[in-house]
Amino acid sequence: KNQVEQSPQSLIILEGKNCTLQCNYTVSPFSNLRWYKQDTGRGPVSLTIMTFSENTKSNGRYTATLDADTKQSSLHITASQLSDSASYICVVPSGGYQKVTFGTGTKLQVIP
Amino acid sequence: DGGITQSPKYLFRKEGQNVTLSCEQNLNHDAMYWYRQDPGQGLRLIYYSQIVNDFQKGDIAEGYSVSREKKESFPLTVTSAQKNPTAFYLCASSTGLDPSETQYFGPGTRLLVL
Repeated sequence: KNQVEQSPQSLIILEGKNCTLQCNYTVSPFSNLRWYKQDTGRGPVSLTIMTFSENTKSNGRYTATLDADTKQSSLHITASQLSDSASYICVVPSGGYQKVTFGTGTKLQVIP
Repeated sequence: DGGITQSPKYLFRKEGQNVTLSCEQNLNHDAMYWYRQDPGQGLRLIYYSQIVNDFQKGDIAEGYSVSREKKESFPLTVTSAQKNPTAFYLCASSTGLDPSETQYFGPGTRLLVL
């Protein structure tokens, strides 16, 4: 069964600190992995997409890594800001739109 | 100003009532989707459409219906057959059905049962 598991479920960090969110997937065949940011009560917004051949990709203070051998991805947030407070969702498609699998997300709260 | 809009932001449904959620996009995208989001669960696909006048069931289509009469519009009807409709509903669109393409999401509609 295709699964996407994220950890931790929730996280509270102080403003200015770094954090790392994890995503483990068992989807096969693998084509790409995407990270979305979802503000409370809003729709998700794409942060980055990782293809099979990519190990690291940055988008400002967000850096995603991918290890296709261990089927793990991480999202590292540097120098967190209050606006980073949101849910971060890992998404892996597996060959068709009816089989896109969304993780349950990590809820991040950045406090002053 | 291009984007995808959903209305209303909040919707209340009475027992036995059908309600329709609106989704409009001006991104000239061919593909559109409806997802349901429940607390502690990942988004689940209800219906998707690749082109006008064509749509396909997703993982949880029972109790829902859609139409795609115009490229810009993909309304979702929650029927009385859907026994647990309380959720956050998200509409999305993309250029095509390739899984590598970005899906752009609307702001969502929260449906509550009275």
